[in-house]
Amino acid sequence: KAGVTQTPRYLIKTRGQQVTLSCSPISGHRSVSWYQQTPGQGLQFLFEYFSETQRNKGNFPGRFSGRQFSNSRSEMNVSTLELGDSALYLCASSPYSGRSSYNEQFFGPGTRLTVL
Amino acid sequence: SQQGEEDPQALSIQEGENATMNCSYKTSINNLQWYRQNSGRGLVHLILIRSNEREKHSGRLRVTLDTSKKSSSLLITASRAADTASYFCANYNNNDMRFGAGTRLTVKP
Repeated sequence: KAGVTQTPRYLIKTRGQQVTLSCSPISGHRSVSWYQQTPGQGLQFLFEYFSETQRNKGNFPGRFSGRQFSNSRSEMNVSTLELGDSALYLCASSPYSGRSSYNEQFFGPGTRLTVL
Repeated sequence: SQQGEEDPQALSIQEGENATMNCSYKTSINNLQWYRQNSGRGLVHLILIRSNEREKHSGRLRVTLDTSKKSSSLLITASRAADTASYFCANYNNNDMRFGAGTRLTVKP
């Protein structure tokens, strides 16, 4: 099976712009999660989607949003970019088997976003 | 905010030596997972241990879990230069994954 793919891999934007990142999960995986990784804050959970519905959301402002399509592909959008949004954005997919247990997550290579 | 804390933050050893990393967490968990990240890339899942398990092995990896102390340890035996990476513990609680700050392991050839 092909792994999780993320596009683009690198992105440079300026403050105030918006950006859309894309994630294609492993075939058959219905859960997609997004994370932000920075040197200062480490890995932080953004949100999780399952069957086109947002199941969980981390503690991020409303400028961060996402969606999932019927084929499980997911996008995340950041509007009005700030310098502090510069980070590695990681997408992970997981085979969902119920709330009582949570399977391992399979991560993509990430999108490196630089905000100037 | 992060759920877990890894200890030590950085570890440097020689090839062939064992490496031990510890992780503490704050709330009850369903399971705890360990991941590896090579510099600036995606994470790779190493091992998952459920809350009712105390020890688990996978190749050169051994993970222990002490729910009474809310802590876990990852032991890598006979380390190799290719083990150089950052290692994170993560736990699933209330439907989201929380990662620790990570241990940066350097294995010198």
